Amino acid sequence: ETGVTQSPTHLIKTRGQQVTLRCSSQSGHNTVSWYQQALGQGPQFIFQYYREEENGRGNFPPRFSGLQFPNYSSELNVNALELDDSALYLCASSLGPGMNTEAFFGQGTRLTVV
Amino acid sequence: AQSVAQPEDQVNVAEGNPLTVKCTYSVSGNPYLFWYVQYPNRGLQFLLKYITGDNLVKGSYGFEAEFNKSQTSFHLKKPSALVSDSALYFCAVRVRVIGAGSYQLTFGKGTKLSVIP
Repeated sequence: ETGVTQSPTHLIKTRGQQVTLRCSSQSGHNTVSWYQQALGQGPQFIFQYYREEENGRGNFPPRFSGLQFPNYSSELNVNALELDDSALYLCASSLGPGMNTEAFFGQGTRLTVV
Repeated sequence: AQSVAQPEDQVNVAEGNPLTVKCTYSVSGNPYLFWYVQYPNRGLQFLLKYITGDNLVKGSYGFEAEFNKSQTSFHLKKPSALVSDSALYFCAVRVRVIGAGSYQLTFGKGTKLSVIP
């Protein structure tokens, strides 16, 4: 186990609703990245948070937003849910945002939008 | 664009036989390459990484990978497959996020490994 925990593990939402996913980083890790893994695909980078600020973003619309708290835990918020948002959402924590730091992944949150 | 490709959707191997899961990369500059494994309904587990140095990298659970610059490949290998190795394997490359000081992992589509008893 990596020490990165995500909640909830599963949830079902209706199209148009909003959802919040949570991630507790490994002890001492100040950087959290979020990834979306659609069925049959590799994970895709959503964004990264470092020192409570967004520190880089992938090709995702603004309705995907996040927060990082002083204890380095993080939230991913998705507004106006669409069917295509159904995926496994992975959180990864690391000791800083640099090139050489290793990312440790949580077990993921499986989101189903109906 | 910097990317990795996994040409095989599925690899089947008999238990006890050597296994290879293929990965090729397209990166400008020196690549930082990774292999992760994903078991059903689980997150990603780190197996090994290549940053620099020896082209043969040893990782967890008896896995190793060979970095080949001339062939732009980073194939995952294990001398003797176990049934418990059956899982989804992802190759990834670390790339700089455009317009930011951070780095992301760009993943291949994954290869499903089935080890047959």
